[in-house]
Amino acid sequence: KQEVTQIPAALSVPEGENLVLNCSFTDSAIYNLQWFRQDPGKGLTSLLLIQSSQREQTSGRLNASLDKSSGRSTLYIAASQPGDSATYLCAVRLMYGSGTYKYIFGTGTRLKVLA
Amino acid sequence: EAQVTQNPRYLITVTGKKLTVTCSQNMNHEYMSWYRQDPGLGLRQIYYSMNVEVTDKGDVPEGYKVSRKEKRNFPLILESPSPNQTSLYFCASSSSGQRYEQYFGPGTRLTVT
Repeated sequence: KQEVTQIPAALSVPEGENLVLNCSFTDSAIYNLQWFRQDPGKGLTSLLLIQSSQREQTSGRLNASLDKSSGRSTLYIAASQPGDSATYLCAVRLMYGSGTYKYIFGTGTRLKVLA
Repeated sequence: EAQVTQNPRYLITVTGKKLTVTCSQNMNHEYMSWYRQDPGLGLRQIYYSMNVEVTDKGDVPEGYKVSRKEKRNFPLILESPSPNQTSLYFCASSSSGQRYEQYFGPGTRLTVT
């Protein structure tokens, strides 16, 4: 059974630091991996989507990498700002032989960037 | 504007009183899904739908029903809500195109007393 783990569960850093969030998955047979941001009591906002054939994706100060063979993805945030404070979630998309698919989420990393 | 909408956003109800949470998307997506989010447990999939009239159970389907009669709508039905269904619920949709990116609704906070 696919499990998705995010470490650390919580992280507090001073403004301006570069930081890395980790996402691990147990089954490498994924279709894609998506990183989300969630503000308290709010919905999920998609940050980056990496297809299984890709190694990384970049958007602004964010860079996500994917290593399927080791079951790992990282989200790199450059020059962190207080506005980056949120919970970051990763999700893998699994495909089944019947043509169906489903998503498994990690439990998230709660990030706080101190001014 | 491309979006997923849910209603209501907040709901307080009593045990056993049937309720429906609506979900609608305007992106012509084939795939729609319901999740619940609980502290320490993360997001767990309740039901999903590959297309109209095609639905399947996720990881925590007990106590929930869904239907997909139209492509844009995917309501979540709680026939007899119980306190353990108190949670934050999210609807999501994605295309069957190459990107398969999921888009989420704003969430529905349900309290069952």
